[in-house]
Formats: sequence, structure tokens, C-alpha cells
Amino acid sequence: DAGVIQSPRHEVTEMGQEVTLRCKPISGHNSLFWYRQTMMRGLELLIYFNNNVPIDDSGMPEDRFSAKMPNASFSTLKIQPSEPRDSAVYFCASSYAVRAEAFFGQGTRLTVV
Amino acid sequence: GENVEQHPSTLSVQEGDSAVIKCTYSDSASNYFPWYKQELGKRPQLIIDIRSNVGEKKDQRIAVTLNKTAKHFSLHITETQPEDSAVYFCAAVSGGGADGLTFGKGTHLIIQP
Repeated sequence: DAGVIQSPRHEVTEMGQEVTLRCKPISGHNSLFWYRQTMMRGLELLIYFNNNVPIDDSGMPEDRFSAKMPNASFSTLKIQPSEPRDSAVYFCASSYAVRAEAFFGQGTRLTVV
Repeated sequence: GENVEQHPSTLSVQEGDSAVIKCTYSDSASNYFPWYKQELGKRPQLIIDIRSNVGEKKDQRIAVTLNKTAKHFSLHITETQPEDSAVYFCAAVSGGGADGLTFGKGTHLIIQP
């Protein structure tokens, strides 16, 4: 397995534009996590899916953020409209259970100018 | 939801000495406590984990201890080496698992030659 795959690796966009981040989890994993990493706030859990169902989205900063998991092999995180304070590294991670090793993708470095 | 506090934020030790990183958690029902290492520019990776039915776990130079009464767990690295320099994150999963995997803010470990 190629591991958790995220795209794009880097994204530079202008304030107000829509941004879509993509994640393909490891096959057979039923837990998927989206995290945002910044120097100030560390690794923040944005949303957690189990068997494609959102279980906890209390970490989603505001209504500008939305996440979907239409099937077991694909998830998206969308920001609309984007703002400079959204600049961060966004990680997707998957595991076969919530109490098991989480495997992280390489991350998407988002810069909003 | 679960809240994980981690200290210190930065730790500098001489090569060969030991390093200890401490974390506390808020949910007394939490039962899974992993530790992740993140090297500069890379993704976090699991180095060791412990479950609530165990008080201590060792893997070569790395050990983790858990005190359920105090809601406290620690990472111990002995005989530190230059390649141990990284950011270390503790994490917890609450009893019901509904909060997903919650991370502390990280400790930047610096190994001085």
C-alpha cells in the first residue's frame, strides 16, 4: 500500500478563493482524521470520520470549513472562502480503529495571500 | 471533549543524557495513549503507545509510563542521540472514542552534541 495520499502537496491561493484538499486513506482503514498544524496551535483535530460517517466535527473552525467522505477511499476538506489565517499544513491520517496507529499523509501546505 | 496538556514545549539535553516529556489528560475514561515523533518537514509517526490496562511499556531506549489516578503519562528517552532531535506529540483517545485522537501541543526536543 502506498500509504495515505494527500493532494495537492502545496497550494497557494488568494483570499476569498475556494480551496479543496484531498485525501485517500489506506485501504481497509475505517477511521479518518483531518488535522491542521501551525506553530502556535500545534496539531488541531478538525474532524474525525468512522466508517465514512462524521463522528466529531467540533474542531472545525467555522462554517467556512466543510469535510466530506463519500466513500471509504476518498475524503475532501473544503475552505470557502479562504482567509490568510487559514494558512497552515493540513494533514489527513487514517487508522483501522480509533485506538490504533494513525498513519499520516505527507500533508498539504496551504498559503492564502 | 478530551483535552491534552504537554510540557515542556522545548527541551534541550546533552547527547547521552535522558529526556522526559510529560502529558496530562482530562477525560478519566480515556484508554489509549500514543506518542508521535515529527522530524522537520515530515509527517508525524508513531513511536510507542500504551493502553490503560498497562502502567509501563518499553521499546529499546524509549519507555512510556501511565498514571491513571493522576491522569498523567510520560515519555522517557534514555541515552539520547542526535537523531532523537524532533518534535514529540502525546495524544489520547477518550473512553467512548467519539472525540477521535486528540494531541498535545508538542515538545521540541533538542539534543546538544
